[in-house]
Amino acid sequence: AQSVTQLGSHVSVSEGALVLLRCNYSSSVPPYLFWYVQYPNQGLQLLLKYTSAATLVKGINGFEAEFKKSETSFHLTKPSAHMSDAAEYFCAVSGYGNKLVFGAGTILRVKS
Amino acid sequence: EAQVTQNPRYLITVTGKKLTVTCSQNMNHEYMSWYRQDPGLGLRQIYYSMNVEVTDKGDVPEGYKVSRKEKRNFPLILESPSPNQTSLYFCASSERGPNEKLFFGSGTQLSVL
Repeated sequence: AQSVTQLGSHVSVSEGALVLLRCNYSSSVPPYLFWYVQYPNQGLQLLLKYTSAATLVKGINGFEAEFKKSETSFHLTKPSAHMSDAAEYFCAVSGYGNKLVFGAGTILRVKS
Repeated sequence: EAQVTQNPRYLITVTGKKLTVTCSQNMNHEYMSWYRQDPGLGLRQIYYSMNVEVTDKGDVPEGYKVSRKEKRNFPLILESPSPNQTSLYFCASSERGPNEKLFFGSGTQLSVL
């Protein structure tokens, strides 16, 4: 069975500062890991996906995430926050089988 | 344009009055799924379908029904809605399964009074 823990339901950063959103997962099989973003009043969009090809995954809008098996983590980062990055971010994990499990979400606020 | 279309966008109803939320995708995807989103709980899977006539329960299926008679459509049915089903609902699809990119609809905000 898979599970996801996102540390921090709300994160606030200044424009231009580093963004770090934390995700830890549990999976009994090699996982597929995802980050999705939800802008206000919209559905979710895929930011990036880990599939074991490389531990550092680059996504859209300058985001990237690093898979660390020893820490069971898949934290999302962006070197310099932009006002347009304000949204809710979800980490998700799937393995063998047909279920994708989402974390509780982290709301990112970007201050000018 | 490739998309997942949900209707209605907003729905207010009363306890016990049957309702259907429609979902349609135009990408010939095999996999479709329904989620509900509640504050602090993220998205929880209600039902999913791997292909036509193949459906299975997710993590919170109680009080919901689905059907997959055609590849493009995956309606969510609440036969006797209750207030604890007040939530934001999302339909999603992918080419073959949850290990691939999911395309989400815009959501349906349901209020059961």
